[in-house]
Amino acid sequence: QSALTQPASVSGSPGQSITISCTGTSSDVGGYNYVFWYQQHPGKAPKLMIYEVSNRPSGVSNRFSGSKSGNTASLTISGLQADDEADYYCSSYASSSPPYVFGTGTKVTVL
Amino acid sequence: EVQLVESGGGLVQPGGSLRLSCAASKFTFSSYWMTWVRQAPGKGLEWVANIKQDGSEKYYVDSVKGRFTISRDNAKNSLYLQMNSLRAEDTAVYYCARWLSYGRLDYWGQGTLVTVSS
Repeated sequence: QSALTQPASVSGSPGQSITISCTGTSSDVGGYNYVFWYQQHPGKAPKLMIYEVSNRPSGVSNRFSGSKSGNTASLTISGLQADDEADYYCSSYASSSPPYVFGTGTKVTVL
Repeated sequence: EVQLVESGGGLVQPGGSLRLSCAASKFTFSSYWMTWVRQAPGKGLEWVANIKQDGSEKYYVDSVKGRFTISRDNAKNSLYLQMNSLRAEDTAVYYCARWLSYGRLDYWGQGTLVTVSS
């Protein structure tokens, strides 16, 4: 089971919207609505931002939204802010071994 | 709020062993699956292992099967990762996390660094 594919980097100016893609297969992203997104600032632990494709945990800004189409999931950050600059990882439950895979990670830069 | 605190990391020679611990507090530890995730320096996240609430089910990524053992002590609210036959490629920060259904990792510890080097 290979890692899910994400762009290495995405950038945007403050106030803009950006979208990060996460491409898998029908055995993971495409097969289940169990896609998650994590934000990780340098030297910190990951933080859950989106669960089950499009749900936000309590306390997460509504500027973060998730969606899925076929084998590709997406995370959109609207109204980009300086503190959004971080690494973002998608993950998905998978039917094969291992039963859980992460994406390759995307570095978001706020210009 | 939920707290997870890892310990036990350090420098170990190739072929050596190390036992990581994760102390859980402020939630009913025995009610949740738990997981270990690692991150090699400058690299992405990798799921390592899962354990069911009562320890009756355990799952591992292929690269650690037969070398790592996940376990828990619900009386002590603690999660463990016994790592044997360590290799250079096991060098990483190891995080413990609380696992909700199908992979929702809602709380993470701060991580503990394991360095495998001679």
